[in-house]
Amino acid sequence: DIQMTQSPSSLSASVGERVTITCRASQGISNSLAWYQQKAGKAPKLLLQTATRLQSGVPSRFSGSGSGTDYTLVVSSLQAEDFATYYCQQYYSTPWTFGQGTKVEIK
Amino acid sequence: QVQLQESGPGLVKPAQTLSLTCTVSGGSVSSGSYYWSWLRQPAGKGLEWIGRIYTSGNSNYNPSLKSRVTISLDTSKNQFSLKLSSVTAEDTAVFYCARQIMYYGSGRGGPFDYWGQGTLVTVSS
Repeated sequence: DIQMTQSPSSLSASVGERVTITCRASQGISNSLAWYQQKAGKAPKLLLQTATRLQSGVPSRFSGSGSGTDYTLVVSSLQAEDFATYYCQQYYSTPWTFGQGTKVEIK
Repeated sequence: QVQLQESGPGLVKPAQTLSLTCTVSGGSVSSGSYYWSWLRQPAGKGLEWIGRIYTSGNSNYNPSLKSRVTISLDTSKNQFSLKLSSVTAEDTAVFYCARQIMYYGSGRGGPFDYWGQGTLVTVSS
């Protein structure tokens, strides 16, 4: 199985701050990476696929980058509605696997 | 707008079989453009992919659960179902059904773009 490791596990940030979350795969995944946002008690919501492609309707303050084994999700200016847990997921090979999550809390 | 809705018992006894159904609306499980998956999330923990099925009936399972999992499709009802046998307390989780994008040409699976709201299943006597 491909192991996905996110960092940090949690962070505190203020509205308007820039936030960066990283995801490292245990082997190269050729940009077969998605990012999800999950709010408490809700299902995950797909934000980006193929590492960089924003889903329709997702605000442009979210962006993704990376290649090989290392990927990054950036929120350029954190808004109140962005406080949530974020997960990366590889779909390079089965079984599809997720990172352990990064909880973004209000400072 | 595609919607998925999980249904099934919220409490299952140890050693029994967990059975859940996902009803799809606004889309068809017969579509050749998607896979249909089950995932789960124990309280306070991360997400685990359980398995998926395609309109042809072909299925793939997570090796960690493969011996206990069966996913099936009912195109007449636009539903797909999960059976997980010999459950223990470690199987207690919120179970989600989700649609997985299939990339045209390669047939490779992509991310999960639509999810059900999730249903909590507790394994307890």
